Amino acid sequence: DARVTQTPRHKVTEMGQEVTMRCQPILGHNTVFWYRQTMMQGLELLAYFRNRAPLDDSGMPKDRFSAEMPDATLATLKIQPSEPRDSAVYFCASGPRPTAASGNTIYFGEGSWLTVV
Amino acid sequence: DQQVKQNSPSLSVQEGRISILNCDYTNSMFDYFLWYKKYPAEGPTFLISISSIKDKNEDGRFTVFLNKSAKHLSLHIVPSQPGDSAVYFCAASFLGTYKYIFGTGTRLKVLA
Repeated sequence: DARVTQTPRHKVTEMGQEVTMRCQPILGHNTVFWYRQTMMQGLELLAYFRNRAPLDDSGMPKDRFSAEMPDATLATLKIQPSEPRDSAVYFCASGPRPTAASGNTIYFGEGSWLTVV
Repeated sequence: DQQVKQNSPSLSVQEGRISILNCDYTNSMFDYFLWYKKYPAEGPTFLISISSIKDKNEDGRFTVFLNKSAKHLSLHIVPSQPGDSAVYFCAASFLGTYKYIFGTGTRLKVLA
């Protein structure tokens, strides 16, 4: 049963601390995404990678957020320093190479619930 | 500036009746649309999609309608079941890319 795995599932941290969220995409998927869910904005795309190279990180606050993919089985999202406004659910998703025939379906992990106090 | 809008944050429907969830978009260049369903404490799961060359796509109890001139799509669930109670997100993108723009979601509650 292939699925996207995220850790930690829940994290409570103090303002100013560094937070790292990790994601293992589905084996064979070459595109990996980070989304953030908030009440006001719904699902926001923060960044995505194809074949481990960043394709678009325009949705990510650059001063405190960074996303990397050190290898094909691991993607990380780091916040340093964290702020209370970063409290949200962060989703990782992965997808196979998109084609016009197969469409654009991507598969989400269960999310990392972050609370910054 | 929301390019994809779901103007109804919540909807309640009786079991067995039709649920209609609506979504509007502003960019006429979008050519691929999707609906995802999300249960509490889980990630969104893909439900159904439609490309802009079609105006309807059906999968079991779920049908998506696309009205390009109105820049509007809707998801119909018939008949609605209590297990359909979830948050539904619509998303728009360009076929062959993964840059989805999601709406803010509509919480559907199906009453038994």
